[in-house]
Formats: sequence, structure tokens, C-alpha cells
Amino acid sequence: QAGLTQPPSVSKGLRQTATLTCTGNSNDVGNQGAAWLQQHQGHPPKLLSYRNNNRPSGISERFSASRSGNTASLTITGLQPEDEADYYCSTWDNGLSAVVFGGGTKLTIL
Amino acid sequence: EVQLVESGGGLVQPGGSLRLSCAASGFTFTTSWMHWVRQAPGKGLEWVSHINSDGTFTNYADSVKGRFTVSRDNAKNTLYLQVNSLRAEDTAVYYCARDKAYCPDYWGQGTLVTVSS
Repeated sequence: QAGLTQPPSVSKGLRQTATLTCTGNSNDVGNQGAAWLQQHQGHPPKLLSYRNNNRPSGISERFSASRSGNTASLTITGLQPEDEADYYCSTWDNGLSAVVFGGGTKLTIL
Repeated sequence: EVQLVESGGGLVQPGGSLRLSCAASGFTFTTSWMHWVRQAPGKGLEWVSHINSDGTFTNYADSVKGRFTVSRDNAKNTLYLQVNSLRAEDTAVYYCARDKAYCPDYWGQGTLVTVSS
């Protein structure tokens, strides 16, 4: 099953802004948008946003999601040390009737 | 508070079987779609399977189709994954997760399945 494409790593400085990308196609991201999950080492993933920019209760406004065509983006403003984690995008593939994940982006805070 | 607690993982030989369980609480399990997602050591997330609220619709990743079976007991608020004909590449932490708008939102802590002789 095809997955979504994410850059393997992104490095940014403290208090800077990071934008993570996730590229799919018209059957998945282009149709359904994307969800974003954060995973710290040794912990299960946590949902940050779904269907582009719907944030679950308790998620900071520093996390915002968007989509343009077949590419979804997660923007994190005012980077903090605790933002260092792996970030995964996820969506529904209509053709496969299945959830697909990106390979994940490791965000490093310098 | 939403809680998902997986169990049933362990060390199993190639070709062996296990039954993973996921006990759910803190939300209306009977109306929720559910997912199984796995993560091999040091690797990314891989969706495994999902099941609709009454268990009448299921789907699987190609990598597990024909070997894994998802089911649920709504009377017990429990999700299951029967994993058969296990291979070394099935070694992973297996998470259950609740569905929200076709993506997993709340996740359990996971249960580790190790396939090795």
C-alpha cells in the first residue's frame, strides 16, 4: 500500500517556526485532508489535528495544519524543547479503503 | 477519560499465533470504529486493520491480509486482533486506537509482539 511522503528530518532553533510537509495524491490527502500526530520516544502517538486544522481539546494553538492540493502542512510556532519528537501525517485512502501514514519527520530543536 | 489498554503480546516462534486484546473505557465503544496500528522497533507507524462499530465491516493492510483477523465484543468493550502465521517482520509494538474522522485519535500504550526462534 502506498504511503504519504514526509521529509525524514527537520532542524530548527528554539522559538523559531517549523513547517512540516506531507505529500499524497488525489485519492488521499487531496480528497480527505490529513491528520497530524506527535510521538515522543517511548510513548504512543498523540493526535494534534485532524481533517486539516481541527485541533482536539488540549492541543496548543502553536500547532496549526493546512492543505494545498495534495500536500498537507503542519506549522509549529514558538518552538519549545518539548516539541522535539517524531511527527506523522495520516489520512484515509479512498481507493484502498484504508488508513495511510507518512514515514514520519524527526523534528530536532537546536 | 478515554483509556485503551492492550494486552496479549509476547515472544512467539515464527509460524505461531497470538490473540491481542484492547480493553476500552471512557467513551462509547459501541458506536466507535477502531484501528490496530503497529510500529516495528525504530521504524514508523504502519496501519494494520480497522473495524466498524458493530463488527460487520473490516479491512486489512496487504501485509497482514489472510493472516490477521480483527473482531470486537461490544458487550465487553473489548477489541481483538488474532495474529496467525507470524513472521519476523511482524515484530512490533501493536497499538489499538479509536477512530475520529477516519484517523486514529486516542491510542493505547501498546503491546509488544516479538517473533523469533
